[in-house]
Amino acid sequence: RKEVEQDPGPFNVPEGATVAFNCTYSNSASQSFFWYRQDCRKEPKLLMSVYSSGNEDGRFTAQLNRASQYISLLIRDSKLSDSATYLCVVNSYQGGKLIFGQGTELSVKP
Amino acid sequence: ETGVTQTPRHLVMGMTNKKSLKCEQHLGHNAMYWYKQSAKKPLELMFVYNFKEQTENNSVPSRFSPECPNSSHLFLHLHTLQPEDSALYLCASSPQGNTEAFFGQGTRLTVV
Repeated sequence: RKEVEQDPGPFNVPEGATVAFNCTYSNSASQSFFWYRQDCRKEPKLLMSVYSSGNEDGRFTAQLNRASQYISLLIRDSKLSDSATYLCVVNSYQGGKLIFGQGTELSVKP
Repeated sequence: ETGVTQTPRHLVMGMTNKKSLKCEQHLGHNAMYWYKQSAKKPLELMFVYNFKEQTENNSVPSRFSPECPNSSHLFLHLHTLQPEDSALYLCASSPQGNTEAFFGQGTRLTVV
């Protein structure tokens, strides 16, 4: 089983749509969780950290379910500029080891 | 401008060459990482340094040799690479091992 597994993509959605990405992780002792965004041929950039209580940043909402070892990212009112690959990232319990999922590609169309 | 700078941005090298990738972070972070990203594959962690000490070597072939002379600089020395080593090599840093990481723009390496 992969340490971090994401929904296979790509997701093709119209502008204004709501889209949700899911991610599962295998190590129950994992401590920190993040969503990154990666544009084509660019470096990954931190989108948001994920907290147990859930957190929201504008149109983006992240949720963590430790019992199910599941992380989600919801994007509301999608914009063309949201088109990118979204990476689920989990910090290993051993520390200092960020493990990336394979990414889910999102394409927002006019 | 990113707080993590990588040079060169692009590198083409022959299989018998020796080259080095450089990473410098201006963020005062204590942990630095090398990742490899091949086409259509997820990021693969290669090496982790915490407070200049290597804490992770993710079964990386010896033709890749990291060096961390201080907490701000990280190198990846390359020798006798194979064409399948062609990839985007990303350096990242974080305040400490269990926090979010910030990436440099990467070195796109082509081995011919």
